[in-house]
Amino acid sequence: DTAVSQTPKYLVTQMGNDKSIKCEQNLGHDTMYWYKQDSKKFLKIMFSYNNKELIINETVPNRFSPKSPDKAHLNLHINSLELGDSAVYFCASSQGWGANSPLHFGNGTRLTVT
Amino acid sequence: DAKTTQPTSMDCAEGRAANLPCNHSTISGNEYVYWYRQIHSQGPQYIIHGLKNNETNEMASLIITEDRKSSTLILPHATLRDTAVYYCIVRVGNQAGTALIFGKGTTLSVSS
Repeated sequence: DTAVSQTPKYLVTQMGNDKSIKCEQNLGHDTMYWYKQDSKKFLKIMFSYNNKELIINETVPNRFSPKSPDKAHLNLHINSLELGDSAVYFCASSQGWGANSPLHFGNGTRLTVT
Repeated sequence: DAKTTQPTSMDCAEGRAANLPCNHSTISGNEYVYWYRQIHSQGPQYIIHGLKNNETNEMASLIITEDRKSSTLILPHATLRDTAVYYCIVRVGNQAGTALIFGKGTTLSVSS
């Protein structure tokens, strides 16, 4: 059983399109995150939700909109895709948002914008 | 979050202990030390974390100095599958909206 699963694993699309990445966790956690890893391999936090409520929103273009239908899911919708959006996107979850709660990551979605 | 300093790369022979150092001289009293690793382009994998005391689990041991300004991750018997980028992260406690802030990490190469 995969604890944090993301779909799709690979996503190739053209500039200007709108796409979504789905994330589900079966760990019973109440906090979920989206991270972006660019071509230089830096991992950056984008968003965090706790009990479906947004608690972290880093400086991310408003073309990116997270949606949490329930505690087990955090989807990422991206409008008007740009070349610079090409990256690997990782979803993660933790039990609570405190510093004593490890994050568990999915295996990523590699987005390529052409 | 306090910043960490790690060596860019390290080598280790298979079967030997891998000792990965991390400096976090500006760490605060309520900040935890976390270690993660990333193999190829897989998702970061949680290894271990601690506040003040040394910690051990099935994967590794974490040794934190008494002044908490540095720590060492120990992989007791490194294997080829331990080749990865290892991240040392400090994370502030008891604040809403804390997340892990990743640095550049240490690339550990285990060879036979």
